[in-house]
Amino acid sequence: GAVVSQHPSRVICKSGTSVKIECRSLDFQATTMFWYRQFPKQSLMLMATSNEGSKATYEQGVEKDKFLINHASLTLSTLTVTSAHPEDSSFYICSARDYLAGGNQETQYFGPGTRLLVL
Amino acid sequence: AQSVTQLDSHVSVSEGTPVLLRCNYSSSYSPSLFWYVQHPNKGLQLLLKYTSAATLVKGINGFEAEFKKSETSFHLTKPSAHMSDAAEYFCVVSGSGDKIIFGKGTRLHILP
Repeated sequence: GAVVSQHPSRVICKSGTSVKIECRSLDFQATTMFWYRQFPKQSLMLMATSNEGSKATYEQGVEKDKFLINHASLTLSTLTVTSAHPEDSSFYICSARDYLAGGNQETQYFGPGTRLLVL
Repeated sequence: AQSVTQLDSHVSVSEGTPVLLRCNYSSSYSPSLFWYVQHPNKGLQLLLKYTSAATLVKGINGFEAEFKKSETSFHLTKPSAHMSDAAEYFCVVSGSGDKIIFGKGTRLHILP
């Protein structure tokens, strides 16, 4: 089946630094990728929709200058948390839609997540 | 606007007994509904989906769900729980456009 990977799986950084998280679709092309944030014992909150070759669409309340998203190819989207603060500590999950398989919700595959801890 | 409510944050059942995870939805459109499972330190896995075909949907690992429009519900069931079913379960609604809405999740505990 379709696989989405994330790298790194966990990262610890100092406050004020930037962290880049990669999301890759390993065996399919994804024109659309999504970034979610999951707080402990809570649901996934959609942060932004990433479209290959164009600007990401951010959800209300998500700072686009804080969470930079780049979708440079059909298999890679990156999320950069800039000037990270302890409150940015969270579990970040990406998902990708298989365009050739229909590109709808039924063909949306999730990555394993990246746990970020900002000290 | 769409929303989804998972009525229980935690459910505990004994191994071998039935599982019921409740989900109610609200949607202005004819919704697509999904159940996902999240095991610790693993990605979300699609269990089953409803997309306006048969109202009783069978998924993987013996799970099934029934879409009841009159009750705006999409409860997840399994006849006999297994220890490996212990995980977090999310009910998801998808309407128009690309956006999907996750429920808050239900943690399923299986008692030996």
